[in-house]
Amino acid sequence: DIQMTQSPSTLSASVGDRVTITCRASQSVRKWVAWYQQKPGKAPKLLIFMASTLESGVPSRFSGSGSATEFTLTITGLQPDDFATYYCQQYDTYSPWTFGQGTKVEIK
Amino acid sequence: QVQLQESGPGLVKPSQTLSLTCTVSGDSIGSGNHYWSWIRQPGGKGLEWIGRIYTSGSTDYNPSLKSRVTMSVDTSRNQFSLRLTSVTAADTAVYFCARVALQLPDFWGQGILVTVSS
Repeated sequence: DIQMTQSPSTLSASVGDRVTITCRASQSVRKWVAWYQQKPGKAPKLLIFMASTLESGVPSRFSGSGSATEFTLTITGLQPDDFATYYCQQYDTYSPWTFGQGTKVEIK
Repeated sequence: QVQLQESGPGLVKPSQTLSLTCTVSGDSIGSGNHYWSWIRQPGGKGLEWIGRIYTSGSTDYNPSLKSRVTMSVDTSRNQFSLRLTSVTAADTAVYFCARVALQLPDFWGQGILVTVSS
């Protein structure tokens, strides 16, 4: 299976900060990476797919970049509603989906 | 609006079989436009993809669970199901069902907690 290594595992930040989360794939997944936001007791919510395409309705302060084995999720101007856990996922063809272990964004 | 709802026992004994059903509303499983998937999340941990099923009944399973997993679809009831055999405490998790569009889950159920314990 393709392993997705996400860092950091926890991130403390303040409202208005710019935060970056990194995800590294154990082998190339081209651009087949998605990012999700999950809040306690809820299902994950899709933010970004194909590494950099914003899902409809997701605020533009979220952005994604990367290809092959290295990917980032950036939140520019952190809002109170953004404190949550974020997961990357690879969905390369013919490979089982795998997820990163998550990054919890906490209030500093 | 598409909605999915998981149902099934919240407690399963070790070595027994976990059986869950996902009921879909707002979309027809029989339309053949999507895959339908199960994903789980052990308490406080990350997400694990279990597998997916197409309307035709074709399936893809996570290799780590493949020997114990069976998925099925019932188009007449607009439901799809998961069976996981020989469960252990490691199978304790919140189980989500989801609709898959363009290779990704776009609608999720709320999740159901299944605890494996005697």
